[in-house]
Amino acid sequence: SQQGEEDPQALSIQEGENATMNCSYKTSINNLQWYRQNSGRGLVHLILIRSNEREKHSGRLRVTLDTSKKSSSLLITASRAADTASYFCATDASGGGADGLTFGKGTHLIIQP
Amino acid sequence: EAQVTQNPRYLITVTGKKLTVTCSQNMNHEYMSWYRQDPGLGLRQIYYSMNVEVTDKGDVPEGYKVSRKEKRNFPLILESPSPNQTSLYFCASRLTADRYGYTFGSGTRLTVV
Repeated sequence: SQQGEEDPQALSIQEGENATMNCSYKTSINNLQWYRQNSGRGLVHLILIRSNEREKHSGRLRVTLDTSKKSSSLLITASRAADTASYFCATDASGGGADGLTFGKGTHLIIQP
Repeated sequence: EAQVTQNPRYLITVTGKKLTVTCSQNMNHEYMSWYRQDPGLGLRQIYYSMNVEVTDKGDVPEGYKVSRKEKRNFPLILESPSPNQTSLYFCASRLTADRYGYTFGSGTRLTVV
């Protein structure tokens, strides 16, 4: 079952600009995670934000979480050509031993040099 | 180096010929999962395992089998592959559910003709 939905589906910006991607979901979660995937390669875990956190930073990445609106955003500042990739949000509702990590369909980000 | 290793990277097979995709992790992770990725459908979980000899179905388990006889290995078995199982497959592992992200393998691109 697909829970997270990213918006936009595709985004093209100039190098140096900031890129913002959004994720909306429907049910309660323990945490929300963002992953990056370069074309045809395995996903790389970028950042995890717990349900009791509102904002988290990692290098040029800033993630926010609003549990009242059931939404999250990923901001990449000062974008580089190497940031071109697909970005996925994943909602984690794991509990009682069950694995409840569900991925959205992703935002394809293109950084124009 | 901490990693998830899956083999083979590419596989072309014929309908009905049993195949196994291997997956191994060297991080002593408890949880392991198999996902398939299809255009327009995103990543969907096939099966996951919480520990040795403990597995459970994900969202799309039909036509697949798994086993977890050792903590490090989690092979995916297609007993009678069909063309609708043509896809990009990923194995992933994480320490526990609900507070850690997944480390992904590099993927196996399977074509069933």
